[in-house]
Amino acid sequence: DVVLTQSPLSLPVTLGQPASISCSSSQSLVHSDGNTYLSWFQQRPGQSPRRLIYKVSNRDSGVPDRFSGSGSGTDFTLKISRVEAEDVGVYSCKQETHWPFTFGPGTKVDIK
Amino acid sequence: EVQLVESGGGLVQPGGSLRLSCAASGFSFSTYWMSWVRQAPGKGLECVANIGHDGSDKYYVDSVRGRFTISRDNAKNSLFLQMDSLRVDDTAVYYCATQLRSASGNFWGQGTLVTVSS
Repeated sequence: DVVLTQSPLSLPVTLGQPASISCSSSQSLVHSDGNTYLSWFQQRPGQSPRRLIYKVSNRDSGVPDRFSGSGSGTDFTLKISRVEAEDVGVYSCKQETHWPFTFGPGTKVDIK
Repeated sequence: EVQLVESGGGLVQPGGSLRLSCAASGFSFSTYWMSWVRQAPGKGLECVANIGHDGSDKYYVDSVRGRFTISRDNAKNSLFLQMDSLRVDDTAVYYCATQLRSASGNFWGQGTLVTVSS
């Protein structure tokens, strides 16, 4: 199975400051169809997960533009340009290139 | 408004069975692949099973293959997960979700808790 590793696992941030989370895959996430199916999820405390980004860098409908995704192959990054209080939660990457689809362990973002 | 509402969770003894249901509304259910994703207490997310639009394609994670069965009824906009031979490590919140990896439109339910304990 594809193993996704995230760093850091805990990220205290200052409101208004940027934040960055890395996701590294044990194998290439480039699908045979040419797409890279790496997505990012946010899970606020007590809530269901919500997808923010799909196919590396595409924002889901309604997701603020302060969230952006980048990367290729095996290394990917989620960036928050200016952290807001509502961004507190756990952020997980997910690969949907190889079955079983797998999630990273999650990065807990909280406010300093 | 898109809604996915899971039901059927509860407390069951090891070796027992449960059937989870997910009622979908507000979107064209029959055009979406669907997933069951679980989250053990304090742990990360795990994809358990996926099912294609018409139910003919099914995928399972190794840990549940042969014990869990995913199915759907497009006429009733419903997704199911039959869970047999349950084990303590199946304890988790189970979410149903749309499986759409190439476009916007990923929806999740609120989850239903399954506790396997004697």
